[in-house]
Amino acid sequence: KNEVEQSPQNLTAQEGEFITINCSYSVGISALHWLQQHPGGGIVSLFMLSSGKKKHGRLIATINIQEKHSSLHITASHPRDSAVYICAADRNTDKLIFGTGTRLQVFP
Amino acid sequence: GAVVSQHPSRVICKSGTSVKIECRSLDFQATTMFWYRQFPKKSLMLMATSNEGSKATYEQGVEKDKFLINHASLTLSTLTVTSAHPEDSSFYICSASRADIQYFGAGTRLSVL
Repeated sequence: KNEVEQSPQNLTAQEGEFITINCSYSVGISALHWLQQHPGGGIVSLFMLSSGKKKHGRLIATINIQEKHSSLHITASHPRDSAVYICAADRNTDKLIFGTGTRLQVFP
Repeated sequence: GAVVSQHPSRVICKSGTSVKIECRSLDFQATTMFWYRQFPKKSLMLMATSNEGSKATYEQGVEKDKFLINHASLTLSTLTVTSAHPEDSSFYICSASRADIQYFGAGTRLSVL
């Protein structure tokens, strides 16, 4: 069993829909990262959070330390949000443990 | 914000040649940088941890003589894929750590013919 699990693996949505991607982990962490990887591979760090909730534009990330679960939400989704979203657990050893990613496609 | 530059973004080479990939932290000093590899439709896999002024720490199963890492300064780490083979074709990504936050390069797509 992977130490970091993401669901769903694939997700399609219509433009404007509210999207949720989930990440569960089984290890102790100091922080959890959400990354966005566009076609072609380029990676952008979206959030790093260790508790509570963070918001940036239409993106919201939450984490529940007790339940070892984090969610990434996208409000009013747009085709340009189409990408692979990856969560990564930071165990404070500088070695991130990555989930397998969620491939999101948003159609107009 | 902190920026990590990775170069080149794409490289095509012949089998048997060596390829060098550079990772630079543009506006901060990074004592530690990381090199990842991503296979098609797979997650990122840590290859090695690059430490400024000392030898890199390689993950199990990664050939240190195959993937040479040099961290000669606080802003530059290089990964050299030696005697490249088609199975080395992959997407390579670096990151640099600053105040417990990792900043990622845009990645390098290596194709070995």
